[in-house]
Amino acid sequence: EDKVVQSPLSLVVHEGDTVTLNCSYEVTNFRSLLWYKQEKKAPTFLFMLTSSGIEKKSGRLSSILDKKELFSILNITATQTGDSAIYLCAPYSGGGADGLTFGKGTHLIIQP
Amino acid sequence: DAGVIQSPRHEVTEMGQEVTLRCKPISGHDYLFWYRQTMMRGLELLIYFNNNVPIDDSGMPEDRFSAKMPNASFSTLKIQPSEPRDSAVYFCASSLGTNTGELFFGEGSRLTVL
Repeated sequence: EDKVVQSPLSLVVHEGDTVTLNCSYEVTNFRSLLWYKQEKKAPTFLFMLTSSGIEKKSGRLSSILDKKELFSILNITATQTGDSAIYLCAPYSGGGADGLTFGKGTHLIIQP
Repeated sequence: DAGVIQSPRHEVTEMGQEVTLRCKPISGHDYLFWYRQTMMRGLELLIYFNNNVPIDDSGMPEDRFSAKMPNASFSTLKIQPSEPRDSAVYFCASSLGTNTGELFFGEGSRLTVL
């Protein structure tokens, strides 16, 4: 059975801090790993990672994948209150197993 | 593009009643997914369709749950009879069959069963 473990489950920091969110996974036929951000409503796509060691960046957010150790991290620098959300990771197998198995998420709260 | 559209946004019902949740995927997307989200269990995949055909329903919790996709632009998730433990947010998502795994979610239907 596929497993996805995210840590920490919750995190409270002050504006301006840097945070690192972790995602470890065990899936068969791994193809990629996706990160989503969920504010009040629907999860929205952040990153898709397919290759180890290649950092993806979008503004203050960046993410990297380690396919040997089966984990990914999501970094957010100079955090803002608008970064408060649940961050979800999901490994993707594809090839017929097209549904994503999400971790329980990290609930991030940025205090002013 | 209007995105994935779900209805109702909120539903409060009494135990034993039938609940029907509706979803309109993004036009042209050939995969449709139903997820359920609770604090305890997170976001769980219930069932998904490819070209209107159910592919994997192993996440459907029990026979009280059923899902249909009569055409490419409409799907329903039905719970009959509903129970308090079914209270959750139900998300519908769609995607293109391009093997990227990227899903586009609707805004969810918040179900409360009293």
